Amino acid sequence: DAGVIQSPRHEVTEMGQEVTLRCKPISGHNSLFWYRQTMMRGLELLIYFNNNVPIDDSGMPEDRFSAKMPNASFSTLKIQPSEPRDSAVYFCASSFFTSGGTDTQYFGPGTRLTVL
Amino acid sequence: AQSVTQLDSQVPVFEEAPVELRCNYSSSVSVYLFWYVQYPNQGLQLLLKYLSGSTLVESINGFEAEFNKSQTSFHLRKPSVHISDTAEYFCAVIRGGSYIPTFGRGTSLIVHP
Repeated sequence: DAGVIQSPRHEVTEMGQEVTLRCKPISGHNSLFWYRQTMMRGLELLIYFNNNVPIDDSGMPEDRFSAKMPNASFSTLKIQPSEPRDSAVYFCASSFFTSGGTDTQYFGPGTRLTVL
Repeated sequence: AQSVTQLDSQVPVFEEAPVELRCNYSSSVSVYLFWYVQYPNQGLQLLLKYLSGSTLVESINGFEAEFNKSQTSFHLRKPSVHISDTAEYFCAVIRGGSYIPTFGRGTSLIVHP
């Protein structure tokens, strides 16, 4: 298995531009998580999907952020418009949800976003 | 609500020395506990986890962690570290019945030759 795939690995954009981050979870996994990692705030959960349905988006910072999961093998995280404070590494992780809480999360390599 | 505290942001140690990375959590209910490792420019990988049973859990590369319910701790230890263990280590907690982990801020383990 190729693991969780994220693209692009690096993204540099200018303030105000739209940014789309992509994630392909591990085949057969039914849960997907988007995280943001910064030096100041550590690792923050942005949104959690189960069976392609958003279950918890309480971590999404504001309306500029949106996430979709149109099918079991693809998810996007969009920032529109982007701001310099959005600069961070964004991780996607997937797992197979069973009894809840015991499942290992498998992380992608991350997308390093820089907003100038 | 649950929280995770990793008391040390950075732990420098010499190669072949023992190391302990500390993790304390707060939760009023049963929890599942995890340690993840993040090597430079990579995503997090599971190192080990405690779900139930024996309070001492081990990883394949020599790390171990012990669940201490009375101390609400899950400290990570290794008797002899290698240069290749240099990485960021994250402790995580999931409350029983939940599905969303709470991660600590991470501890940077720096192994010097």
